[in-house]
Amino acid sequence: KAGVTQTPRYLIKTRGQQVTLSCSPISGHRSVSWYQQTPGQGLQFLFEYFSETQRNKGNFPGRFSGRQFSNSRSEMNVSTLELGDSALYLCASSRTDKETQYFGPGTRLLVL
Amino acid sequence: QKEVEQNSGPLSVPEGAIASLNCTYSDRGSQSFFWYRQYSGKSPELIMFIYSNGDKEDGRFTAQLNKASQYVSLLIRDSQPSDSATYLCAVTAANDYKLSFGAGTTVTVRA
Repeated sequence: KAGVTQTPRYLIKTRGQQVTLSCSPISGHRSVSWYQQTPGQGLQFLFEYFSETQRNKGNFPGRFSGRQFSNSRSEMNVSTLELGDSALYLCASSRTDKETQYFGPGTRLLVL
Repeated sequence: QKEVEQNSGPLSVPEGAIASLNCTYSDRGSQSFFWYRQYSGKSPELIMFIYSNGDKEDGRFTAQLNKASQYVSLLIRDSQPSDSATYLCAVTAANDYKLSFGAGTTVTVRA
């Protein structure tokens, strides 16, 4: 069974721009969670979607948003990029919102 | 107080030795506990999960959970150079099942 896939893998943007990251979960998984990983803050929860509904949201500003489609694929969007948004963005999927999460390879975002 | 705390590293062990990793959590209602391994530049990879008090063994890995002490640990027996990585402890919150991660412990296995 194919794992979680994320695109793009690497991205360079400038301050003020916006970015959209994509995540395709493992087949049959309906829950998708997003995390931000930085050297200073570690792994932090952004939000979780289940059956197209946002079920949980972490402590991030409104510039961070996401959505989930009927096929469980998910996108996250960051508007008005700041230098501090440079990070590894990880997507994880699970069959339901209460089961083990499996991570994709991540998208490494660099904001200049 | 952080939700999940791990023993500070880095932890250096000789090949063949036991590496012991510790994690404490603050939410007494936490229900599920996970250990992920993350190699440099890669994403976290699930090693083990544990839900009930006691020990759970999987190959060279043993997870131990003590809910009364709010403590979970990971033992790596017969450590190999390929075990050199950062180990992340993760806990699901009592009510919303999001994963809260510790800062990670970096393990180096010396050949």
